[in-house]
Amino acid sequence: GQQVMQIPQYQHVQEGEDFTTYCNSSTTLSNIQWYKQRPGGHPVFLIQLVKSGEVKKQKRLTFQFGEAKKNSSLHITATQTTDVGTYFCAAGSARQLTFGSGTQLTVLP
Amino acid sequence: DAGITQSPRHKVTETGTPVTLRCHQTENHRYMYWYRQDPGHGLRLIHYSYGVKDTDKGEVSDGYSVSRSKTEDFLLTLESATSSQTSVYFCAISFTGETEAFFGQGTRLTVV
Repeated sequence: GQQVMQIPQYQHVQEGEDFTTYCNSSTTLSNIQWYKQRPGGHPVFLIQLVKSGEVKKQKRLTFQFGEAKKNSSLHITATQTTDVGTYFCAAGSARQLTFGSGTQLTVLP
Repeated sequence: DAGITQSPRHKVTETGTPVTLRCHQTENHRYMYWYRQDPGHGLRLIHYSYGVKDTDKGEVSDGYSVSRSKTEDFLLTLESATSSQTSVYFCAISFTGETEAFFGQGTRLTVV
């Protein structure tokens, strides 16, 4: 399976600040998926990016896939306490789905 | 939520005993996965299945075996549990390897 590195491992922000997590691979990815896991919960699918340079938005969340399809990012604008959790990127291939180590986001009220 | 049920949800077992975790789906998805989640390591793939009786190893397969005799069931067996296998185990399903995955609620396993 493909390996993906994710940074940072932890991020603490004040409510209202922005947040970004990055996902990097040494190889070209066929697609990248993003998941969110609330504390004590299970990962939940957010979005999939497939095309080079693709940008998708979900309300305050912006997802980008790099031109070379080797990196991706998730940006949250004006964080809220409901954004708390761990965000994972995952590289999909024909049979496997390989996850990054995740970024744990804490939002301070 | 997708129809995925993991059982048991919690288990405490002793070192050296065999343990089987079950994942049951009602979605008829072809792909099923077993992951373990440990602090600082994210989700690591143990084994996966791409059809009945078709399974393959993931990155942390040592000490684990799987079986899939029916589309809906994917079993994970720890042959002889060790303390290093204390973890939260998640089952996931997907239509293909490149589409979104749906996760079960997880099984918290403690090996003492």
